[in-house]
Amino acid sequence: DAGITQSPRHKVTETGTPVTLRCHQTENHRYMYWYRQDPGHGLRLIHYSYGVKDTDKGEVSDGYSVSRSKTEDFLLTLESATSSQTSVYFCAISEWAGGHQETQYFGPGTRLLVL
Amino acid sequence: GENVEQHPSTLSVQEGDSAVIKCTYSDSASNYFPWYKQELGKRPQLIIDIRSNVGEKKDQRIAVTLNKTAKHFSLHITETQPEDSAVYFCAGGGESGGGADGLTFGKGTHLIIQP
Repeated sequence: DAGITQSPRHKVTETGTPVTLRCHQTENHRYMYWYRQDPGHGLRLIHYSYGVKDTDKGEVSDGYSVSRSKTEDFLLTLESATSSQTSVYFCAISEWAGGHQETQYFGPGTRLLVL
Repeated sequence: GENVEQHPSTLSVQEGDSAVIKCTYSDSASNYFPWYKQELGKRPQLIIDIRSNVGEKKDQRIAVTLNKTAKHFSLHITETQPEDSAVYFCAGGGESGGGADGLTFGKGTHLIIQP
């Protein structure tokens, strides 16, 4: 597995509380992504980053914000968690070289339960 | 944006037989099509990918074909084995503005290998 870690791996929180998930990579890849995975929906892109302080929205970005102050860390924040944000969150990294997107490698995932 | 449809949602085959999973995409600008395998409770793992300048790619028992005109691509697994049982996801993506803006995933196919 590529050098990607996510923390925490599991979290239970209450509706209305802020939550921050961390993705850390040791590969020095430029691109980082946050996806959520829900039954019947596959993986959906929340936000992505194409460099330090450079981020953009994905398909399901409402209720989420991100920050990337260092190449190796990409943070996903739920400002005020809701039950609909109960999901498994995956971070992914990739590089872009030679005019092509390279393979996206996924982290181990974070299981979030919002009560 | 891109839309990726995947069929079937469940596929049961006898051990030793072949399995085929099909995907269609909507955005003609997409040029990168990976396939991921996900075992229960694990992260998605890349098994094969294809770019739009190639029509077919093989890796041992796994092959992927791409028809750009029809905007569909397929995963072929031959001589299936029990360890092939998993959920398989297709995805499509490309570059916009010179960057890599994430993948759009199909909803997955649960492949069951019957002994």
